[in-house]
Amino acid sequence: DIQMTQSPASLSASLEEIVTITCQASQDIGNWLSWYQQKPGKSPQLLIYGATSLADGVPSRFSGSRSGTQYSLKISRLQVEDIGIYYCLQAYSAPYTFGAGTKLELK
Amino acid sequence: EVQLVESGGGLVQPGRSLKLSCAASGFTFSNYYMAWVRQAPTKGLEWVASITNSGGSTYYRDSVKGRFTISRDNAKSTLYLQMDSLRSEDTATYYCTRVEYYFDYWGQGVMVTVSS
Repeated sequence: DIQMTQSPASLSASLEEIVTITCQASQDIGNWLSWYQQKPGKSPQLLIYGATSLADGVPSRFSGSRSGTQYSLKISRLQVEDIGIYYCLQAYSAPYTFGAGTKLELK
Repeated sequence: EVQLVESGGGLVQPGRSLKLSCAASGFTFSNYYMAWVRQAPTKGLEWVASITNSGGSTYYRDSVKGRFTISRDNAKSTLYLQMDSLRSEDTATYYCTRVEYYFDYWGQGVMVTVSS
């Protein structure tokens, strides 16, 4: 199975700050990496697909990048509505695996 | 507007069965793979099973193989998850998702509690 190591597990940041979350894949998964945001009591929502493509309706302050088997989600200027838990997902091969999640809080 | 609405959850005793449904609308259901993803209380997301658009192929995580069955009725635009021999560790919110090599739409989720 492909392991997705996500870091950090939690993150406290100030408004307007730049935030970066990373996922390390245990093997090559190409661009089959997506990012999700989950707010308390809500379903996850797609942010980024294909490692770097922004999903419809997602603010442009969100971006994704890839360097080899390391993937990153960047929030360029943190807003209050960005608070939640973020997950990466590899859909390269079954069993599809999520990262453990990053809980993003306001400082 | 794409909508996925799950139903069928509830409290069930260990070893018993439950069948979840997911009613899809707002898109051509028969064109898409579909999947179930679950989330145990206070835990992360876990892929459970996927099915091809025709229903001809299915995929499961090891911990549910032989106990869960994913299926679909394209005429009714409905996805199913038959869960047999339920265990306490199956307690979770179950989400129905549309698949495009990523999960682009999610239902609101349905809670399944396995307890005596």
